[in-house]
Parts: sequence; C-alpha cells; structure tokens
Amino acid sequence: GQNIDQPTEMTATEGAIVQINCTYQTSGFNGLFWYQQHAGEAPTFLSYNVLDGLEEKGRFSSFLSRSKGYSYLLLKELQMKDSASYLCAVRDAGGSYIPTFGRGTSLIVHP
Amino acid sequence: ETGVTQTPRHLVMGMTNKKSLKCEQHLGHNAMYWYKQSAKKPLELMFVYSLEERVENNSVPSRFSPECPNSSHLFLHLHTLQPEDSALYLCASSQDSSSGDEQFFGPGTRLTVL
Repeated sequence: GQNIDQPTEMTATEGAIVQINCTYQTSGFNGLFWYQQHAGEAPTFLSYNVLDGLEEKGRFSSFLSRSKGYSYLLLKELQMKDSASYLCAVRDAGGSYIPTFGRGTSLIVHP
Repeated sequence: ETGVTQTPRHLVMGMTNKKSLKCEQHLGHNAMYWYKQSAKKPLELMFVYSLEERVENNSVPSRFSPECPNSSHLFLHLHTLQPEDSALYLCASSQDSSSGDEQFFGPGTRLTVL
C-alpha cells in the first residue's frame, strides 16, 4: 500500500513564493505527479518527476528526493489565480501503473 | 477544454432512483477511469478500462456499475445509492493504463443522494 501526506491548507501573499510538500511511503517507486485543481473544475497536470532533482516549468518547479520519499511543488510570483488545490500522486513499482493520490493541499493566495 | 467531457455536471437523486453518468474523451486515448472525490479525502480510484476491457475494480459496491462500449465513451450506472455516495465523480483518460502517462480529467459530475 501507499501512504501520501500533504498539508491540508496553506496561505500565501500575491507575489510571494510558496512551497507545498508531499511525503510518501511506498513499497516501490515509479514516479510522482503534481496536479492543480481549481474549485469546481477538473484536475490538470502540472509536473512529473521520476528521477531526483528539480524540474522547472515557468513559475512552477517540482523537486524529488527518492531516498527521502519527499517531493515539493514550488510556486513563484504567486498570482490570485493560483488559489487552488494541489494534488500529489505517486505511482508505485507494482503491477499497476495507476497513481495513488494524496488528499491535496488547498492554497489560498491573498492580495 | 481538456478533451474530456462529462454529463450531467450536477445530479440530485433519491435512493431508489436509477441514473447514469456519461464521460466522453476526444483525445484518442485507450484507457479511461472513474474516480470518486469526497471532501477532505483523496481521489479514490473506482474503475479502470483499457481498450474497453475492465482492468481494475477497487472493491466498489455493486450499486455502481460501469460500462465502456468503446474507447471514447464510459458510463457509470447508479442504482439504490446511499447518502454517503454523494461526491464529485471524475472521469479521466490516458494514452494507456500501463505506461503511467499523465491523466486528463473531465470536469466531474457533482452527485447528491437524498
């Protein structure tokens, strides 16, 4: 089985930087996804990490440390539209390639 | 536009009703999924279809019955539901179910069971 942990809620100020952490315990590891979900909308893909290190994509970056079972999503130059839920999902090394999702972190960006 | 559509967007039903949720993907994907999303809980995988064959069923009660007539369409038939089944039901698709490609989600159906 898998255990995925994220903070329930975070708040930040427009223009700031925020880091959303995700820790996981799995029987094996075969990739970690981050999705963004605005209220009442579909989750949308943000990033995928399978090797250690930082992947940068515009204002968003995702980091992975497989030895620590740890990832973070870094959001820079926060905008009001970044207020959303951020979902961490982990794929284990078992037969199924389907990721298991964490509870999500609700990010509220204040002016 | 994500390429995955779901209807209806909102549904209110009594415990004795029978209704169906519909999902359609326009992405040419081979795998489709049903998820349940409840408040304060992780996304729960319900069913997975690959090339119209069910490949995974996560111990979902029989009052939920999936149907995949072709690789573009997925249905979830509902009957004699319980109030605790009220949730957001999300459909997703991916290129296939075995490669771990990113999933594309529909907007969901908000279901309320009275």
